[in-house]
Amino acid sequence: GQSLEQPSEVTAVEGAIVQINCTYQTSGFYGLSWYQQHDGGAPTFLSYNALDGLEETGRFSSFLSRSDSYGYLLLQELQMKDSASYFCAVRDRRNTPLVFGKGTRLSVIA
Amino acid sequence: DADVTQTPRNRITKTGKRIMLECSQTKGHDRMYWYRQDPGLGLQLIYYSFDVKDINKGEISDGYSVSRQAQAKFSLSLESAIPNQTALYFCATSATGDAGELFFGEGSRLTVL
Repeated sequence: GQSLEQPSEVTAVEGAIVQINCTYQTSGFYGLSWYQQHDGGAPTFLSYNALDGLEETGRFSSFLSRSDSYGYLLLQELQMKDSASYFCAVRDRRNTPLVFGKGTRLSVIA
Repeated sequence: DADVTQTPRNRITKTGKRIMLECSQTKGHDRMYWYRQDPGLGLQLIYYSFDVKDINKGEISDGYSVSRQAQAKFSLSLESAIPNQTALYFCATSATGDAGELFFGEGSRLTVL
């Protein structure tokens, strides 16, 4: 089976930087994805890491360390609109579906 | 129009009733999924289909069934709804070799009384 651990809640100040961690246990590994979900909305894709290192997309970056079974999502220059739930998701083999973590609720405060 | 459309968006029903949630997509993707979301539990996979003739159970398939009527359509049925199936249901699609990117519908909120 697969399991993912991420913090349930994080609070950060507008303009600051926040890191949301994700550790996973899988029999194999074929990529780590991150999704954002606003209250009442659908999850939307943010990033994907298949190899070790940092992927940057605007204010958001995602990091992966396969040897540590660990990744994180980094949000810079936080804005109020970044308040949402963030999910990490993994697949353990190429043609298998994503398994999602339970999500981290990020609250951005003024 | 949305690329992934779910109907109905909201449904209230009674215990024992049969319910069908429908999903259609215009993205041309072969892969389709049904996930269930409960507060604090993330997204749990119910069923998935990688092409029209392929149906696979997910981690919580008991009490549910699916039908892949065409590449663009994937429906989820609850043969006899029970209150603990009250949840938000999401349909999603992805391309073959999808690099971890799923496209979600807007969700169907089901309440079973």
